[in-house]
Amino acid sequence: GENVEQHPSTLSVQEGDSAVIKCTYSDSASNYFPWYKQELGKGPQLIIDIRSNVGEKKDQRIAVTLNKTAKHFSLHITETQPEDSAVYFCAASSDDYKLSFGAGTTVTVRA
Amino acid sequence: NAGVMQNPRHLVRRRGQEARLRCSPMKGHSHVYWYRQLPEEGLKFMVYLQKENIIDESGMPKERFSAEFPKEGPSILRIQQVVRGDSAAYFCASSPRGGVGYEQYFGPGTRLTVT
Repeated sequence: GENVEQHPSTLSVQEGDSAVIKCTYSDSASNYFPWYKQELGKGPQLIIDIRSNVGEKKDQRIAVTLNKTAKHFSLHITETQPEDSAVYFCAASSDDYKLSFGAGTTVTVRA
Repeated sequence: NAGVMQNPRHLVRRRGQEARLRCSPMKGHSHVYWYRQLPEEGLKFMVYLQKENIIDESGMPKERFSAEFPKEGPSILRIQQVVRGDSAAYFCASSPRGGVGYEQYFGPGTRLTVT
C-alpha cells in the first residue's frame, strides 16, 4: 500500500515568514495529492490539492509543488499569519477515494 | 448547508462494551468514508460506503469492527467489545460522488476513549 512520509513534524515561524512542508510517497500510481488543515477539535479541511498532470498550483498565499520523478510534493505558505497556526496533513491517493495521510506537521506562527 | 455531522463528539466506553459512532453526510452526498486517527498520527482509511453498499473495507480490522450506510439514516461505525487500543479519533467524510475530482468533506470527529 501507499506510504506517505511528512517532514518536519513541528514548524515554528515568525509572522510574515514562509513555511514549507515536504512529503514523499511510495506508490508511483498515486495521482492525487491533497493538503488538509486541521484546527484543534475540528476535522481536516481541504486547503489545496494537485493532480499528477500538474507540477505546481497556487491559491493566494498557498502553493503546492509536485515532483513525480522524485515522488515528493511540498506545501508553501507565504506571509504567514497567526491564523495559519494548525496541524497540516499531506495525503496521496491512486484511486481518488482512499487517502493515505502523512503524520502531520504542527505549524506555529509567532506574532 | 450543514456540513458533515458526527455524534457523539466524545464517547467513553469500558473495555468489552460496544461503541456506535454516527455520521450524517452533507446534503446530497451519497458516499461516506471512515478514517481513524491515533494520537500523533495521520488519518488511516478504514472503509468506503455508498448507500446500502460497502465499496472498500480494506482498512477495517477483520474482527469487532463493522460499518453500514442504510438507505435512510446516518452511516454507523460499530465497534464491538472495545479494547484500549481502539481509543482514537474517528472521522467520517462525505462526497457527492466517488472518484476523480470530488473532494471529501470531513466531519468534526468522534473521540473514543476506552477505559
